[in-house]
Amino acid sequence: QKEVEQNSGPLSVPEGAIASLNCTYSDRGSQSFFWYRQYSGKSPELIMSIYSNGDKEDGRFTAQLNKASQYVSLLIRDSQPSDSATYLCAVNRAAGNKLTFGGGTRVLVKP
Amino acid sequence: DVKVTQSSRYLVKRTGEKVFLECVQDMDHENMFWYRQDPGLGLRLIYFSYDVKMKEKGDIPEGYSVSREKKERFSLILESASTNQTSMYLCASSFGGAGGEQFFGPGTRLTVL
Repeated sequence: QKEVEQNSGPLSVPEGAIASLNCTYSDRGSQSFFWYRQYSGKSPELIMSIYSNGDKEDGRFTAQLNKASQYVSLLIRDSQPSDSATYLCAVNRAAGNKLTFGGGTRVLVKP
Repeated sequence: DVKVTQSSRYLVKRTGEKVFLECVQDMDHENMFWYRQDPGLGLRLIYFSYDVKMKEKGDIPEGYSVSREKKERFSLILESASTNQTSMYLCASSFGGAGGEQFFGPGTRLTVL
Protein backbone atom coordinates (compact mmCIF):
# COMPACT_ATOMS: atom_id res chain seq x y z
CA GLN A 1 0.00 0.00 0.00
CA LYS A 2 1.33 3.42 -0.97
CA GLU A 3 1.63 5.94 1.84
CA VAL A 4 -0.46 8.55 0.02
CA GLU A 5 -2.83 7.41 -2.71
CA GLN A 6 -4.69 9.38 -5.33
CA ASN A 7 -6.61 8.38 -8.41
CA SER A 8 -4.38 9.35 -11.33
CA GLY A 9 -7.31 10.39 -13.54
CA PRO A 10 -7.80 12.11 -15.80
CA LEU A 11 -10.84 13.55 -14.08
CA SER A 12 -12.84 15.24 -16.79
CA VAL A 13 -15.34 17.89 -15.67
CA PRO A 14 -17.42 20.37 -17.67
CA GLU A 15 -16.77 24.05 -17.16
CA GLY A 16 -18.79 25.38 -14.22
CA ALA A 17 -19.14 21.98 -12.53
CA ILE A 18 -17.62 20.79 -9.26
CA ALA A 19 -14.43 18.73 -9.42
CA SER A 20 -13.99 16.33 -6.49
CA LEU A 21 -10.54 14.91 -5.75
CA ASN A 22 -9.76 12.33 -3.10
CA CYS A 23 -6.62 11.29 -1.26
CA THR A 24 -6.06 8.55 1.32
CA TYR A 25 -3.04 8.18 3.57
CA SER A 26 -1.67 5.39 5.71
CA ASP A 27 0.20 7.14 8.57
CA ARG A 28 -2.29 7.70 11.42
CA GLY A 29 0.16 10.09 13.07
CA SER A 30 0.02 12.63 10.24
CA GLN A 31 -1.18 16.06 11.34
CA SER A 32 -0.73 18.33 8.33
CA PHE A 33 -2.27 17.99 4.90
CA PHE A 34 -1.72 20.00 1.75
CA TRP A 35 -3.01 20.32 -1.77
CA TYR A 36 -0.71 21.51 -4.54
CA ARG A 37 -1.58 22.39 -8.11
CA GLN A 38 0.97 21.65 -10.82
CA TYR A 39 0.64 22.83 -14.40
CA SER A 40 2.46 20.85 -17.05
CA GLY A 41 6.16 21.69 -17.04
CA LYS A 42 5.85 23.87 -13.92
CA SER A 43 6.58 23.35 -10.26
CA PRO A 44 3.92 22.58 -7.61
CA GLU A 45 2.06 25.54 -6.17
CA LEU A 46 0.48 25.34 -2.71
CA ILE A 47 -3.26 26.01 -2.83
CA MET A 48 -4.64 24.65 0.45
CA SER A 49 -3.47 23.53 3.87
CA ILE A 50 -5.67 21.77 6.42
CA TYR A 51 -4.80 20.60 9.90
CA SER A 52 -8.04 19.69 11.68
CA ASN A 53 -11.08 17.60 10.86
CA GLY A 54 -13.81 19.26 8.86
CA ASP A 55 -13.95 21.66 5.96
CA LYS A 56 -11.77 24.61 5.05
CA GLU A 57 -12.82 26.96 2.29
CA ASP A 58 -10.67 29.35 0.28
CA GLY A 59 -12.36 30.95 -2.68
CA ARG A 60 -13.52 28.23 -5.07
CA PHE A 61 -11.53 25.58 -3.21
CA THR A 62 -12.70 23.51 -0.24
CA ALA A 63 -10.50 21.02 1.53
CA GLN A 64 -12.09 18.32 3.68
CA LEU A 65 -10.26 16.23 6.26
CA ASN A 66 -11.38 13.09 8.06
CA LYS A 67 -8.57 11.74 10.20
CA ALA A 68 -10.58 8.78 11.48
CA SER A 69 -11.05 7.54 7.93
CA GLN A 70 -7.64 8.78 6.84
CA TYR A 71 -8.73 10.73 3.84
CA VAL A 72 -8.51 14.27 2.63
CA SER A 73 -10.39 15.69 -0.32
CA LEU A 74 -10.41 18.81 -2.46
CA LEU A 75 -13.46 20.32 -4.11
CA ILE A 76 -13.13 22.84 -6.90
CA ARG A 77 -16.36 24.74 -7.44
CA ASP A 78 -17.27 26.49 -10.69
CA SER A 79 -14.39 24.74 -12.46
CA GLN A 80 -12.61 26.79 -15.12
CA PRO A 81 -10.39 25.65 -18.00
CA SER A 82 -7.51 27.30 -16.10
CA ASP A 83 -8.04 24.70 -13.35
CA SER A 84 -6.83 22.01 -15.73
CA ALA A 85 -3.70 20.72 -14.00
CA THR A 86 -2.40 17.89 -11.85
CA TYR A 87 -3.33 18.16 -8.18
CA LEU A 88 -0.95 16.69 -5.65
CA CYS A 89 -1.96 15.64 -2.16
CA ALA A 90 0.82 15.89 0.46
CA VAL A 91 0.84 14.59 4.01
CA ASN A 92 3.42 15.27 6.66
CA ARG A 93 5.34 12.33 8.06
CA ALA A 94 4.61 12.02 11.72
CA ALA A 95 8.29 11.88 12.60
CA GLY A 96 9.16 15.38 11.46
CA ASN A 97 9.40 17.97 8.75
CA LYS A 98 9.07 15.85 5.65
CA LEU A 99 6.08 15.48 3.36
CA THR A 100 4.97 12.45 1.41
CA PHE A 101 3.31 13.24 -1.90
CA GLY A 102 0.68 11.28 -3.72
CA GLY A 103 1.06 10.58 -7.42
CA GLY A 104 -1.38 13.32 -8.34
CA THR A 105 -4.77 13.51 -10.04
CA ARG A 106 -4.92 15.06 -13.48
CA VAL A 107 -7.96 17.28 -13.93
CA LEU A 108 -9.29 18.36 -17.32
CA VAL A 109 -11.93 21.07 -17.41
CA LYS A 110 -13.72 21.14 -20.74
CA PRO A 111 -15.34 24.37 -22.00
CA ASP B 1 5.60 36.22 -0.83
CA VAL B 2 8.01 33.35 -0.45
CA LYS B 3 10.49 33.21 -3.23
CA VAL B 4 12.56 30.16 -4.01
CA THR B 5 14.90 30.41 -6.96
CA GLN B 6 16.95 27.79 -8.73
CA SER B 7 20.11 28.49 -10.68
CA SER B 8 19.02 27.00 -14.02
CA ARG B 9 15.73 26.09 -15.69
CA TYR B 10 17.37 23.72 -18.15
CA LEU B 11 20.71 21.97 -17.96
CA VAL B 12 22.40 19.47 -20.26
CA LYS B 13 25.41 17.54 -18.98
CA ARG B 14 27.46 14.56 -20.07
CA THR B 15 27.81 11.26 -18.26
CA GLY B 16 30.51 11.45 -15.59
CA GLU B 17 30.39 15.21 -15.17
CA LYS B 18 30.06 16.78 -11.74
CA VAL B 19 26.84 18.79 -11.58
CA PHE B 20 25.85 21.51 -9.12
CA LEU B 21 22.24 22.61 -8.69
CA GLU B 22 21.75 25.71 -6.58
CA CYS B 23 18.68 26.82 -4.66
CA VAL B 24 18.14 30.09 -2.80
CA GLN B 25 15.19 31.14 -0.63
CA ASP B 26 14.52 34.61 0.71
CA MET B 27 12.12 33.87 3.60
CA ASP B 28 14.58 32.86 6.32
CA HIS B 29 13.21 29.30 6.26
CA GLU B 30 14.99 26.74 8.41
CA ASN B 31 14.14 23.74 6.24
CA MET B 32 15.17 23.16 2.65
CA PHE B 33 14.51 20.15 0.46
CA TRP B 34 15.61 18.62 -2.82
CA TYR B 35 13.21 16.42 -4.78
CA ARG B 36 13.22 14.81 -8.16
CA GLN B 37 10.08 14.27 -10.18
CA ASP B 38 9.71 11.58 -12.81
CA PRO B 39 6.66 10.46 -14.79
CA GLY B 40 4.91 7.61 -13.01
CA LEU B 41 7.12 7.92 -9.93
CA GLY B 42 5.92 11.24 -8.58
CA LEU B 43 7.89 13.50 -6.27
CA ARG B 44 10.66 11.77 -4.37
CA LEU B 45 12.75 13.31 -1.62
CA ILE B 46 16.51 13.19 -2.18
CA TYR B 47 17.86 15.16 0.79
CA PHE B 48 16.73 17.75 3.21
CA SER B 49 18.38 20.19 5.59
CA TYR B 50 16.89 21.54 8.79
CA ASP B 51 19.69 23.98 9.63
CA VAL B 52 22.98 25.30 8.31
CA LYS B 53 25.47 22.47 7.83
CA MET B 54 22.80 19.94 8.87
CA LYS B 55 21.44 17.42 6.39
CA GLU B 56 19.42 14.28 6.37
CA LYS B 57 18.98 11.64 3.68
CA GLY B 58 15.64 11.39 2.01
CA ASP B 59 14.19 8.41 0.21
CA ILE B 60 16.61 8.27 -2.73
CA PRO B 61 19.98 9.79 -1.71
CA GLU B 62 22.19 7.42 -3.71
CA GLY B 63 24.35 9.25 -6.24
CA TYR B 64 23.71 12.67 -4.68
CA SER B 65 25.22 14.87 -2.00
CA VAL B 66 24.21 18.26 -0.62
CA SER B 67 25.75 21.33 0.93
CA ARG B 68 24.25 24.05 3.10
CA GLU B 69 26.83 26.60 4.15
CA LYS B 70 24.35 29.50 4.50
CA LYS B 71 20.77 29.44 5.69
CA GLU B 72 19.34 30.72 2.42
CA ARG B 73 21.26 28.43 0.06
CA PHE B 74 21.03 24.68 -0.47
CA SER B 75 23.04 22.92 -3.16
CA LEU B 76 22.53 19.51 -4.71
CA ILE B 77 25.60 17.82 -6.13
CA LEU B 78 25.74 14.97 -8.59
CA GLU B 79 29.30 13.71 -8.15
CA SER B 80 29.34 11.76 -11.42
CA ALA B 81 26.21 12.28 -13.46
CA SER B 82 24.54 9.26 -15.02
CA THR B 83 21.76 8.99 -17.58
CA ASN B 84 19.32 7.70 -14.94
CA GLN B 85 19.65 11.05 -13.18
CA THR B 86 17.91 12.78 -16.07
CA SER B 87 14.92 14.31 -14.32
CA MET B 88 13.15 17.43 -13.09
CA TYR B 89 14.80 18.61 -9.88
CA LEU B 90 12.74 20.68 -7.48
CA CYS B 91 13.91 22.64 -4.47
CA ALA B 92 11.52 23.59 -1.66
CA SER B 93 11.71 25.38 1.67
CA SER B 94 9.60 25.67 4.82
CA PHE B 95 9.70 27.11 8.29
CA GLY B 96 11.04 24.94 11.08
CA GLY B 97 8.80 22.68 13.08
CA ALA B 98 6.85 19.64 12.06
CA GLY B 99 4.70 19.50 8.98
CA GLY B 100 5.09 23.00 7.64
CA GLU B 101 3.98 24.24 4.25
CA GLN B 102 6.64 23.77 1.62
CA PHE B 103 7.17 26.28 -1.16
CA PHE B 104 8.78 25.19 -4.39
CA GLY B 105 11.22 26.79 -6.77
CA PRO B 106 10.62 26.71 -10.54
CA GLY B 107 12.59 23.50 -11.05
CA THR B 108 15.63 22.50 -13.09
CA ARG B 109 15.16 20.07 -15.94
CA LEU B 110 18.43 18.16 -16.14
CA THR B 111 19.34 16.00 -19.10
CA VAL B 112 22.38 13.73 -18.84
CA LEU B 113 23.65 12.50 -22.19
